[in-house]
Parts: sequence; structure tokens; C-alpha cells
Amino acid sequence: GESVGLHLPTLSVQEGDNSIINCAYSNSASDYFIWYKQESGKGPQFIIDIRSNMDKRQGQRVTVLLNKTVKHLSLQIAATQPGDSAVYFCAENGASGGYNKLIFGAGTRLAVHP
Amino acid sequence: EAGVTQFPSHSVIEKGQTVTLRCDPISGHDNLYWYRRVMGKEIKFLLHFVKESKQDESGMPNNRFLAERTGGTYSTLKVQPAELEDSGVYFCASSQGPGKNEKLFFGSGTQLSVL
Repeated sequence: GESVGLHLPTLSVQEGDNSIINCAYSNSASDYFIWYKQESGKGPQFIIDIRSNMDKRQGQRVTVLLNKTVKHLSLQIAATQPGDSAVYFCAENGASGGYNKLIFGAGTRLAVHP
Repeated sequence: EAGVTQFPSHSVIEKGQTVTLRCDPISGHDNLYWYRRVMGKEIKFLLHFVKESKQDESGMPNNRFLAERTGGTYSTLKVQPAELEDSGVYFCASSQGPGKNEKLFFGSGTQLSVL
């Protein structure tokens, strides 16, 4: 498994606070976006996705917002818990065909403090 | 149900040697992908199989990399000869359907260190 990179931007939050992780994507033609969570020693794990015909989607404690005008994606985590500590990646689907050729962002480390 | 499994989890080799990484996708998943993350950079697409056929290998960095999926089950990624810049984490992922927005399931990756 991977020890995640040492030089990622880090967001530090207090347990119970809300977290907002931001991401800028590159391709205005991308029509599908995903947020992944990667814990140390594990691979990326799907959190939530959104299609380009939506601007907001909610899951359990997570919300993804999409602003196509400025090519910006955000992940909001409500009532952040220690188990949310991980590296979070946004990804866009860059494939013109029908398959998952994902373009990942650099990642943001979320550190949750008790 | 078992997830995507990758072997080995870590591999340390010397420059010039050969390494073979293996990926076992989730049973029944026809679509298999290889991605990698080198030197703390972004995770990048390498290639995509549908069953045993390569659909897109545009992300393969050079001809030192060879991916196979004989029989359409597990896949191997061979690096021969390995170079220092090949160090990184190699992820395999699989999905059930061929659709663009099918959920990808990732393995834990193989950490490759080339010395």
C-alpha cells in the first residue's frame, strides 16, 4: 500500500466542525466528477459523485458542489470525525468514449484533531 | 465479496531489474484499469482492459511497460528494465460495466521502489 505524499496541502479541523475541501478541474468538457478518500496503506475509495447537469449532490454527511462556470468542485463534510482523516482527491472523467479514464487532482490531506 | 487485490504490496528492486505486478479484479468485473502515482504527483491513468483486450493504453509511459490480461481475469504489469523514475505506487481498479460513469473499485496498490 501507499504512504501518501508528504507535500500535500493540509486542512486541519477540529472534531465536530464542518470541512470544505476544494478542487479546480481542467477540462470544461468533463461531465462526471468524483471524490475519493485515501487512507494510509489503502487505495482510493469512492465517496460521492456528481454529473455535470447537477450543481449539488448530498450523501451521508457529505455534499459535493459543482460550479461549471469557474470549473470548481468542493466536498463538504459535516461534523468531521477522526475517521475522516485521510487524503481526498477529486477526479474528472476525461474519456471521450465510454469508460473511466480519470484525471485526478493533486489531493488534500484532511487532519482532524480531537 | 473480495475487493480488488494487488500483489506484492511492496517491491524494492535495483535499476535494470524486472518487476511484475499482479492485479486480481473483483470477480465478474470485465473492466480493469491500471493507474500510478509517482513521486507524490497526481494519480495518472495508464491503461484500460475490457476482458483481455486493451481498449486504451495511451497512458503507458514507454515500451518498458507491458500489461497483459490473458483470459480476461487477473492482469499483470511488467516493467523491464526498471528505471529510477518508475518508483511510485501502482494502482489497479475494476468496474463491472463498460459505462463511463461506472464506479471504480481500487486495490491498495503496489509500492515500487527502484534503487
